[in-house]
This record gives sequence, structure tokens and C-alpha cells, in this order.
Amino acid sequence: DQQVKQNSPSLSVQEGRISILNCDYTNSMFDYFLWYKKYPAEGPTFLISISSIKDKNEDGRFTVFLNKSAKHLSLHIVPSQPGDSAVYFCAAQSNTGNQFYFGTGTSLTVIP
Amino acid sequence: DTGVSQDPRHKITKRGQNVTFRCDPISEHNRLYWYRQTLGQGPEFLTYFQNEAQLEKSRLLSDRFSAERPKGSFSTLEIQRTEQGDSAMYLCASSLRTVNSPLHFGNGTRLTVT
Repeated sequence: DQQVKQNSPSLSVQEGRISILNCDYTNSMFDYFLWYKKYPAEGPTFLISISSIKDKNEDGRFTVFLNKSAKHLSLHIVPSQPGDSAVYFCAAQSNTGNQFYFGTGTSLTVIP
Repeated sequence: DTGVSQDPRHKITKRGQNVTFRCDPISEHNRLYWYRQTLGQGPEFLTYFQNEAQLEKSRLLSDRFSAERPKGSFSTLEIQRTEQGDSAMYLCASSLRTVNSPLHFGNGTRLTVT
């Protein structure tokens, strides 16, 4: 059962515009959410996280929004740059366990 | 902070052979995780250590898989009698013990079973 879902396998955005990546989850016990970026032949790199007591967290060009009632989070990248082209995974951790659950990823292409 | 290190980066083996992978976590991290990733999928949890204790194992981890973390430092993941379905990227990650501590991944070991 896929507890973390990324329904868009790919996204293309023009350089300088906003990229919005979406993620949905089913487990109401999740209380910590993360976004990772992955280049080919490398491991995932941690980008930004948010705990369930917040609804927004910002770090430079990256902002994560959490809507607990909808069980939905999103990652906004503004402005998008060609170097942002990668696969982005969202992940979640339950307050009752230690395991992290990952989505299937969204491949972002930023067009110069 | 030298990051999480995994060795080897690539391993090609014949079906039925045993393979062992090594992971060196970030030195101050006492939590260590193994994940597996196949094409088009996100990382799937295999097992988790806190210091030297293996606290959680996925149902994905058949009895052909064994992981150890002696002395709570580096970890090894062994796959016995490899099968073609074991072909995947094996990722190691580490984190601090504190609440809401993110995972930091290594670059993985890509296993190909022929």
C-alpha cells in the first residue's frame, strides 16, 4: 500500500517561473514531512522539511506547504533554475515509528 | 562531515552468488537505515538500526537478506543466493536520534544480478 503518493510523474517549467510539486498521504499518524532531490547515479539529497505543527516552511527558493486536513503537501521552487532539473521525492515519518515512507517521485525539467 | 559512504558503487554478480555491501554513516549519527530503490519507484524501507541494535525490519527483507551494525558504526548488508529480482539500487542513510531529524543518504550500491 502506497501511503505517500506523487501523482505527477513529470513536470516541465520555464526557467524563472514557479515549479509546484505535489504530494498526498493517507496515514494520519504522519507528523514529519520531507522533500528530497535526486540526480542520476546519486543518492537522494535532503532539501527541506516540515513538522505537522506548521503549515509552511521556507528556505531560500524552496517553500513547503502542508495542508493536514487534506493530507496534502507541496513544494514550491521560485524562481526555477535549470540546475533544479532532477527527480523530487516527498517522504513522511509517523510519530509512532522510525521508518520513512517515500513517494514514487516527480521528474522536474526546467527549460532554459 | 564527510557524508554517508557506500561501497562498492556497482556490483555485478551471477544468480546464486552472495554479495555484501558496506555503509559508513555520518560519524555523529546513531540511526542507520537501509533502503532499496528500483526504476520508477521511490526508496523502499528494508531495515533500521539504532546504534548496534536492529530495531525494525521490513517484510520485504526475506531470510536471504541480513544486516549488521557491529559496534554501532559501519553497517553491512548481505544478500545470499542472489536472484534477478534483487537487482536494484541499495541505499544507506543515517540520521540523528533527535525528533524530526532528516535522513542523509549515501550514493548507493547498484546491484545487477545476471
